[in-house]
Parts: sequence; structure tokens; C-alpha cells
Amino acid sequence: GAGVSQTPSNKVTEKGKYVELRCDPISGHTALYWYRQSLGQGPEFLIYFQGTGAADDSGLPNDRFFAVRPEGSVSTLKIQRTERGDSAVYLCASSLMIGSEQFFGPGTRLTVL
Amino acid sequence: AQSVTQLDSQVPVFEEAPVELRCNYSSSVSVYLFWYVQYPNQGLQLLLKYLSGSTLVESINGFEAEFNKSQTSFHLRKPSVHISDTAEYFCAVIIIQGAQKLVFGQGTRLTINP
Repeated sequence: GAGVSQTPSNKVTEKGKYVELRCDPISGHTALYWYRQSLGQGPEFLIYFQGTGAADDSGLPNDRFFAVRPEGSVSTLKIQRTERGDSAVYLCASSLMIGSEQFFGPGTRLTVL
Repeated sequence: AQSVTQLDSQVPVFEEAPVELRCNYSSSVSVYLFWYVQYPNQGLQLLLKYLSGSTLVESINGFEAEFNKSQTSFHLRKPSVHISDTAEYFCAVIIIQGAQKLVFGQGTRLTINP
């Protein structure tokens, strides 16, 4: 079956612009996670959803970052006023339920010029 | 808070040689342990996990890892590597009860030379 998909695969933007990154989880998975992977580092947790609600957003670095999951399936990570330090690979994962294996998407590589 | 340390950022080995990728963790509460692999131009894939029971866990492609609670380690081993094992390997932990976020190490790049 289809895995986790993320669009776009690459996004190049200019400093100060707004970007949206999309994640389509595996069908039926209720939990959805966002991570960020900077060059040479392991992924770092940003936020996770159980259904439509953000259960833990403690990893969001500041209020320029926001994520939604309005219908409990697709999620969008939104970054306002992008900065060069936001450049990274943004990973999405989903799991059947909280506590079960997380399946990762291929990521979106964001480059802020 | 939890943390994961992978002691080697890069490990070069020759094909058919044994390899060990080291992972140590720090946590004041009980955790589950994972190894993920990221092949070139692919997403993260779960390689193996320790949840409970036998402290030695194995993957389908010949890797194994042993949970050592006293040393807070979860080292990954393979007795004979292949070119196809070239990838980045990440050790990760998750708290058994509580926040469901994975905490990853920095990663170890395994390079297999012919």
C-alpha cells in the first residue's frame, strides 16, 4: 500500500517568505508527527497530532511555525517569515495509533536563500 | 529529558568485515529503543526495535542490537557487511509512558569499501 507522502520534495524560497509543507499519512493512521533534520544531525521532534488536535507542540522552535490537521488526515506545516536557519529536511511520520511504529515519509528539503 | 549519543559520526569498513555502531542513551524513565536506517535518497526505515523481553533483537537483513540497561547502551552489530548496507544509521528512544516523540542520535554514516 501507499506510504507516507510529502509535497513538495524540494522547496527553495527567499528569506522572509511564507511556506507550506504538506504531509499525507498512511490511510487509517491516527497519529501524525513532524520532525526537522538539519545537515549532519538526527531528526528533531517538532509536533505531533492525535486525530485533529496537536497533542504535543513542544518542539516547535518559535511562533513562526504552525501546523494543522483539520480533518485528522492530511497535515500542513506552515512557516512564516522564513529565515536561513530554517533550511533543513522536514520529515513527516504517521502511526496507526499512539505508541505504535512510526512510518516516515521521504521528507521535504527546504532551502531559504 | 532524554538524549541519545552515537559515538561515531562515520564508520568505514571493508566488505564482509564485521561492524559495530555504538549508541548510548540517557533517560530518567524507561524507554523503548530503535535503530532506523536511511539509504541514499530514501526516507527513514525502521531497522529493529527493543520494547521488552529478550535484550538481543535482530533484523531480517542480519543486523542485531543488544539492550544493556546497566551501560545504557543499544549498540548495533553485523558480523559481515555488504555494499548494500551503505547508509546512515540513527539510534532513537521513546518514553514508554508519556510523550510519543522519538529522540534521535546524530547518526552514523556507514561506508562499505570493496
